[in-house]
Amino acid sequence: QVTLKESGPVLVKPTETLTLTCTVSGFSLSSVGVGVTWIRQPPGKALEWLAHIFSNDEKSYNTSLKNRLIISKDTSKSQVVLNLTNLGPVDTASYYCARISRGFRGSYFDSWGHGTQVTVSS
Amino acid sequence: SYELSQPASMSVSPGQTASITCSGDNLGEKYVCWYQQRPGQSPVLVIFQNRQRPSGIPERFLGSNSGNTATLTISGTQPMDEADYYCQAWDKSTAVFGGGTRLTVL
Repeated sequence: QVTLKESGPVLVKPTETLTLTCTVSGFSLSSVGVGVTWIRQPPGKALEWLAHIFSNDEKSYNTSLKNRLIISKDTSKSQVVLNLTNLGPVDTASYYCARISRGFRGSYFDSWGHGTQVTVSS
Repeated sequence: SYELSQPASMSVSPGQTASITCSGDNLGEKYVCWYQQRPGQSPVLVIFQNRQRPSGIPERFLGSNSGNTATLTISGTQPMDEADYYCQAWDKSTAVFGGGTRLTVL
């Protein structure tokens, strides 16, 4: 059974750096064609893709946030970590991690975590 | 940057067919996914690669993609289908979501 679980702080201050961890089970971060992505959703708003990392360490970032995001993985711990720097109130959102499966006809997010709520406030 | 447009909301009567559209430049040249998000829950993949259904997704969920428009069609809509639906595609190596469509079943 594939599961993903997000963890991190609930409340962070403006200008601080957010560190979120996605711990996976039921699959390996070293499996070919598999990756993990981070997606966020501000309250009452749409989903916003942030970044992903694949088993071969291929990474990609949302271009509008690229200078603030860093994604990394620790295969031995089955964890993917997302760092988002210089936080502001607009970063208040639910943050989800999801598994990416890469197919011949495009990749898709086939398993999602429950999400973690992050509030940016002083 | 690439953009996907969806109607903000739509309603359908139980048992009827709901068609949710997603528009983007030459979207038919890309592969589109659809995600269902019920209130208070995480998104769930309902269609991938334009028309494929993951295991466990009912056959009443159908996807198509041509020209500039992808469509998610829900046949025989049930009250449990009431949710937000998001289309998603790839622009080079970055993922793009539509703004979401709130489907009300009443």
